[in-house]
Amino acid sequence: GIQVEQSPPDLILQEGANSTLRCNFSDSVNNLQWFHQNPWGQLINLFYIPSGTKQNGRLSATTVATERYSLLYISSSQTTDSGVYFCAVEGGADGLTFGKGTHLIIQP
Amino acid sequence: EPEVTQTPSHQVTQMGQEVILRCVPISNHLYFYWYRQILGQKVEFLVSFYNNEISEKSEIFDDQFSVERPDGSNFTLKIRSTKLEDSAMYFCASSLNHYEQYFGPGTRLTVT
Repeated sequence: GIQVEQSPPDLILQEGANSTLRCNFSDSVNNLQWFHQNPWGQLINLFYIPSGTKQNGRLSATTVATERYSLLYISSSQTTDSGVYFCAVEGGADGLTFGKGTHLIIQP
Repeated sequence: EPEVTQTPSHQVTQMGQEVILRCVPISNHLYFYWYRQILGQKVEFLVSFYNNEISEKSEIFDDQFSVERPDGSNFTLKIRSTKLEDSAMYFCASSLNHYEQYFGPGTRLTVT
């Protein structure tokens, strides 16, 4: 099946810093989504982005499908941005394949 | 904004008992999914459901699991005889067009 690798696994930043999270995948995909898992365990949809670039406030994402990677950018980090960020892809099957996530800690 | 809801938020059950997790997908969505996340691990796909039948299932989804859409709004996951290793967060998701999936808040299942 399709493989999803996320980096870095852990990231600790000061409030106000910018960050880039990376997701590499092993095959062509029909669907790519970024999620934020908050401390209560809820998965929050950030982006549906199988290709191209999208922005939502301080967050933006870019997927280069031909090179099989996606990037999530967080600018001016806030403590509420802390949590685990998951990339998930679907490559022809129904179910999403998730990466192991990037655990982000924003310190005040 | 419409959202996927799940009940209960937390379920504690004894090993060997049957448990039913409930989900109400977004009302006009056609594709429904269950995922699970064991504590500290990544989210894993269990099963997808479309047109009143299972369209795909993973290796995890063995004979102990079943899904049902008993009416026009609910989507359920049943575990017939729970094991300790079934302890996890279970997420329901739905999709209009089989692309972008919207996740519910999850049910934390604890098997003792």
